[in-house]
Amino acid sequence: DGGITQSPKYLFRKEGQNVTLSCEQNLNHDAMYWYRQDPGQGLRLIYYSQIVNDFQKGDIAEGYSVSREKKESFPLTVTSAQKNPTAFYLCASSIGHRGYGNQPQHFGDGTRLSIL
Amino acid sequence: SQKIEQNSEALNIQEGKTATLTCNYTNYSPAYLQWYRQDPGRGPVFLLLIRENEKEKRKERLKVTFDTTLKQSLFHITASQPADSATYLCALPGGSYIPTFGRGTSLIVHP
Repeated sequence: DGGITQSPKYLFRKEGQNVTLSCEQNLNHDAMYWYRQDPGQGLRLIYYSQIVNDFQKGDIAEGYSVSREKKESFPLTVTSAQKNPTAFYLCASSIGHRGYGNQPQHFGDGTRLSIL
Repeated sequence: SQKIEQNSEALNIQEGKTATLTCNYTNYSPAYLQWYRQDPGRGPVFLLLIRENEKEKRKERLKVTFDTTLKQSLFHITASQPADSATYLCALPGGSYIPTFGRGTSLIVHP
């Protein structure tokens, strides 16, 4: 079955530590996205990528970094510069968004990040 | 930027009734609007998309309407079941056509 796999499901970060969240898709989608979800809030866009080796900042990119070396993979690193990283992180993909803006997004089941 | 408003209070209804959820937006009318379902601890799942030239869209027990004059979409679940209990999110195209999501409304269907 095609889909998006996020790992790990739960992650704990120590002070000053960088952590990386994994996101893999086998849907052959060009576009991938990272969102952050806090209780009672909507999804906020962190980074997105339209194509391999290209990515753009979203609304709340500070303290995060990404890479897109392969079409299937879009890992997110939460750096020590992100002072409030506790949240539910969701990865999504879609066929593409420019010219395909009405395509639905397919989501993984998220990673819940907490501070130790 | 587009502001999306969904009722933050949970909607409680009895099994078998029709649930109606509201999504209001404040700025320009979007070319389309999407609805998603999200269960606790899971990612959202796409349900329906409705375009600006469509007044209504149906899928099984789901019906979505889109009123560009009122700047509103209504999401209906007929003959609701406890398994329909979840949070429902609406999404509109934002910058670079990437969907911007509302906060969602929680639906609780009581047996």
